[in-house]
Amino acid sequence: KAGVTQTPRYLIKTRGQQVTLSCSPISGHRSVSWYQQTPGQGLQFLFEYFSETQRNKGNFPGRFSGRQFSNSRSEMNVSTLELGDSALYLCASSLDPAGEVGEQYFGPGTRLTVT
Amino acid sequence: AQSVSQHNHHVILSEAASLELGCNYSYGGTVNLFWYVQYPGQHLQLLLKYFSGDPLVKGIKGFEAEFIKSKFSFNLRKPSVQWSDTAEYFCAVGAGSYQLTFGKGTKLSVIP
Repeated sequence: KAGVTQTPRYLIKTRGQQVTLSCSPISGHRSVSWYQQTPGQGLQFLFEYFSETQRNKGNFPGRFSGRQFSNSRSEMNVSTLELGDSALYLCASSLDPAGEVGEQYFGPGTRLTVT
Repeated sequence: AQSVSQHNHHVILSEAASLELGCNYSYGGTVNLFWYVQYPGQHLQLLLKYFSGDPLVKGIKGFEAEFIKSKFSFNLRKPSVQWSDTAEYFCAVGAGSYQLTFGKGTKLSVIP
C-alpha cells in the first residue's frame, strides 16, 4: 500500500507570496492532519479534515487555511508569507476510530523556505 | 488544552547502554499515547502506542514504554541501544479533539 505523499518536496518563496501544498493520504484513510515542524517549536498542529470538513484547527493565524477533496486528498494554503513560516510541513493520514485519535501515518513533508 | 513535556533535549549514549526518555503530559481525561521516531532524512514513524490495557507496551526494534497514569508519564525505554537508533524521538498525546499534541522531541546520538 502506498504511503502518504506530499508535493512539492521543496519550495522557496518570497515574503508576501502565497503557497499551496498538497497531500495524498493512504488509500482508504479519510482523516488528514497537517503539522508545522520547526527546530524551536517542534511539531505544531495546524488542522484536521475528515470527509471534507475541518474538525479542528490549531493556534495559527488565518493566513493558514486548508481544504479536503472528496477523494480525501488535501491541500493547505499559506497567504502573505512571512520569514517565520519557513518550516517543514507534515501531512498525516489515519483511519478514523469513532471520536478518537488513531494511529497517524506521516508523509515526508514539504520543506518551505521563505526569503 | 493538553501539553507534552520531554525532559531531555539531547541524549548521547554509547552503544549497548540502556535508554530511558522521559515524557509527561498534562490532561486529566482519557488519553492515547504514542512515541514516534524520525531517523535522519526520513519521515516520522510510529514506534509504539498505548490505547488501553496493559500499561507496558512493546514496539518495534526492541523499544518499550510504560504508562503510569498517576504520574501522567509515558517513558520510552530500550535495554541496549545501537548506532542505528540515532534519531529524534517524539512523544505525542491524543485526547479527543481530532489532534495529536507532540512534545518538542529528544535527539538521541549513539556513539559506536
